[in-house]
Amino acid sequence: EAQVTQNPRYLITVTGKKLTVTCSQNMNHEYMSWYRQDPGLGLRQIYYSMNVEVTDKGDVPEGYKVSRKEKRNFPLILESPSPNQTSLYFCASSSSGTASYGYTFGSGTRLTVV
Amino acid sequence: AQSVAQPEDQVNVAEGNPLTVKCTYSVSGNPYLFWYVQYPNRGLQFLLKYITGDNLVKGSYGFEAEFNKSQTSFHLKKPSALVSDSALYFCAVRGARSGGYNKLIFGAGTRLAVHP
Repeated sequence: EAQVTQNPRYLITVTGKKLTVTCSQNMNHEYMSWYRQDPGLGLRQIYYSMNVEVTDKGDVPEGYKVSRKEKRNFPLILESPSPNQTSLYFCASSSSGTASYGYTFGSGTRLTVV
Repeated sequence: AQSVAQPEDQVNVAEGNPLTVKCTYSVSGNPYLFWYVQYPNRGLQFLLKYITGDNLVKGSYGFEAEFNKSQTSFHLKKPSALVSDSALYFCAVRGARSGGYNKLIFGAGTRLAVHP
């Protein structure tokens, strides 16, 4: 089944403790992206990647890092999480090489930073 | 500035009645428009998209959307609502060419509640 897989689904952590949220897609998509969803704000782009070793900032990149060493994987790294990063995170991929034809989304990761 | 507005936080409709979820957008160039649905504890699922062609687009689960260029709108519609349609709906537009078409810009979402 074609899908985007995120892990973990739920995560509670403490301020300052580094964490990684994994994302993997099995569709051979070049384009991948991370979004966060907050009530009243919709989804906002954190980072995106056009291909292996090609990443760039989205609208809200502060406090996040990403890497793209393999086409299928696009992990999101929070080096020193803070409470304002408590959110619902989605990984997405696209077949078009850009966002032009829409996304396939993962199931989401609900992160709580205390 | 690129943006998407969903003016209603919540839409309430009785089962069997028609429903409309509103969306307006602002983006330079020809808009690529999308609707997604989010069920509780699930990711976002694609419903439909408009890229070019007929202004009335048909999508999944009996939903359709009407593109209106003069009003910069892309309202989601369904002729007869089901209780199972209750969910959070997001409208999105592709970002501008100046940004390399590298993102979708989402509205804040509209919660649809269909009552029996």
